[in-house]
Amino acid sequence: NAGVTQTPKFQVLKTGQSMTLQCAQDMNHNSMYWYRQDPGMGLRLIYYSASEGTTDKGEVPNGYNVSRLNKREFSLRLESAAPSQTSVYFCASSDPSLADTQYFGPGTRLTVL
Amino acid sequence: GENVEQHPSTLSVQEGDSAVIKCTYSDSASNYFPWYKQELGKRPQLIIDIRSNVGEKKDQRIAVTLNKTAKHFSLHITETQPEDSAVYFCAASIRSGGYQKVTFGTGTKLQVIP
Repeated sequence: NAGVTQTPKFQVLKTGQSMTLQCAQDMNHNSMYWYRQDPGMGLRLIYYSASEGTTDKGEVPNGYNVSRLNKREFSLRLESAAPSQTSVYFCASSDPSLADTQYFGPGTRLTVL
Repeated sequence: GENVEQHPSTLSVQEGDSAVIKCTYSDSASNYFPWYKQELGKRPQLIIDIRSNVGEKKDQRIAVTLNKTAKHFSLHITETQPEDSAVYFCAASIRSGGYQKVTFGTGTKLQVIP
């Protein structure tokens, strides 16, 4: 049982490049989330998926898109990376039957030059 | 929307002393309050949580208190150890439709000095 996994762990992009961050969970959770973490600002929600087939914007969605590929996988795409998107990205999952606890992946450290 | 404020931003204590971190929230509809510990370079991990129908919860050296009227909640760590050094995040949460809307505080960096 791996929990929540993310790939890649590190990535360096040039301004304007695109990339997709992958997230998968094997806990059969319905809900999945993407957060970004910046120094002094805690964790901010980018997008979430309440259940398979649905996605919605969070607090800071501009510049990102998401896909809930199936119940296990939730990807985050940067179409045209900007230096302001330099951050650590965390994926998380939860399920209402499990007391709403969010379980986080190991994170992806992204640098945009 | 919900706003969570967390204080202090940094905290240094001597090993064996107690540490207290305080948070306030703005939305009275929030009903679930988790605390996460994040070690350097690692993922946030849940250490304790409390629901709005409970005033206090303990788990060994860690306790959380909730005052719904004042909209504040606190984390108490007793007999601190060097391995308690980390960043701690509070959060306020409400279930909205089919998902859990969580708002995090900005974190407290705790340093336990041996």
